[in-house]
Amino acid sequence: SQQGEEDPQALSIQEGENATMNCSYKTSINNLQWYRQNSGRGLVHLILIRSNEREKHSGRLRVTLDTSKKSSSLLITASRAADTASYFCATGRGSARQLTFGSGTQLTVLP
Amino acid sequence: GAGVSQSPSNKVTEKGKDVELRCDPISGHTALYWYRQSLGQGLEFLIYFQGNSAPDKSGLPSDRFSAERTGGSVSTLTIQRTQQEDSAVYLCASSLAFGQTNYGYTFGSGTRLTVV
Repeated sequence: SQQGEEDPQALSIQEGENATMNCSYKTSINNLQWYRQNSGRGLVHLILIRSNEREKHSGRLRVTLDTSKKSSSLLITASRAADTASYFCATGRGSARQLTFGSGTQLTVLP
Repeated sequence: GAGVSQSPSNKVTEKGKDVELRCDPISGHTALYWYRQSLGQGLEFLIYFQGNSAPDKSGLPSDRFSAERTGGSVSTLTIQRTQQEDSAVYLCASSLAFGQTNYGYTFGSGTRLTVV
């Protein structure tokens, strides 16, 4: 079963707008990671937030983590057409040696 | 190489045939993972290798699936007697890992397997 579930499943916005994607998970985690996937091929690691962190920034990306609600959000500011992709959250748990991925959010940024 | 290399990039095979998928991880990455992604779906964990430790095979869907990693580097995923439900993109990833998941993964571009 999947640990992380993204919401919404699909999101369509205009270029320049902000995009927010959410991820919920079920069990305790060591860290949560976000990945981007273009054209159904390899995933690219975007950002990692540890369980003792609440917020992290990387360029136009902002990730928050609320361990009490078992949820995370990924905010992409000033979106560009090139941001069009699927975004996945993945959780790392102490007892597991592999990441568990959610089902992804398909983001479409319209020019 | 600079990234994770997978071959072939596309493979079409007849039902019942065996296939081998190859992954060449980043040099120095001790952990290697295989995932499977069906059309429009998330990633399904298959198998994990960490250094010289016994691999974690808990995600392999059936005994038709096997994988090995030679010399702590290149890995081969073998699917015997392929079925149509095996059609998917098979993704390999590597990471710096010491028994935990505190490092980001570097993924290859995947092998798109189609069983006809």
